[in-house]
Amino acid sequence: DSGVTQTPKHLITATGQRVTLRCSPRSGDLSVYWYQQSLDQGLQFLIQYYNGEERAKGNILERFSAQQFPDLHSELNLSSLELGDSALYFCASSVNGKEGYTGELFFGEGSRLTVL
Amino acid sequence: GEDVEQSLFLSVREGDSSVINCTYTDSSSTYLYWYKQEPGAGLQLLTYIFSNMDMKQDQRLTVLLNKKDKHLSLRIADTQTGDSAIYFCAERASGTYKYIFGTGTRLKVLA
Repeated sequence: DSGVTQTPKHLITATGQRVTLRCSPRSGDLSVYWYQQSLDQGLQFLIQYYNGEERAKGNILERFSAQQFPDLHSELNLSSLELGDSALYFCASSVNGKEGYTGELFFGEGSRLTVL
Repeated sequence: GEDVEQSLFLSVREGDSSVINCTYTDSSSTYLYWYKQEPGAGLQLLTYIFSNMDMKQDQRLTVLLNKKDKHLSLRIADTQTGDSAIYFCAERASGTYKYIFGTGTRLKVLA
């Protein structure tokens, strides 16, 4: 158990809909990362938050947005869903910046999104 | 560019050694990581190495780093069926919090 919790584990929805994926980082971790894993594209970095603020952006579509709340949990919002958005979405957390930091990311088990 | 490249598949027999390869791009000081993803699970860190090292050994795992060629390898000795998984290489430039992952290598261990 990594200590990172993601909900829901599975989600099936239709094209055009909107969903929200939730992530609770490990206790004490200030940084949250979101990744998308699809069969043909490996692990794609979407976005990173640190202590409530956006720190880095990757290949995140404009239809997607995220935020990190004061209690450090994060949500990834996916809207106007398309078939190609079907993927496994991972959240990872890290201490970032603390002394002795080696950079380990702790991953949740992922949320599997299927768009029909 | 920012590409971390890995071969997609590797198949070995139980008891043999597995060698998973990765090439990275950052030329500055960097951390390099190996993560393992078992079916239905998230990624879990196996080991990491800093770019001022050539080798790191941890039980059955040996990481070799060729800085000149920007080549990283993970050797698993006495490979077991429980080692069947996807292995990801990742790099992070020192002083940054940006990780770049490879596409993953799917290791299949044959009994």
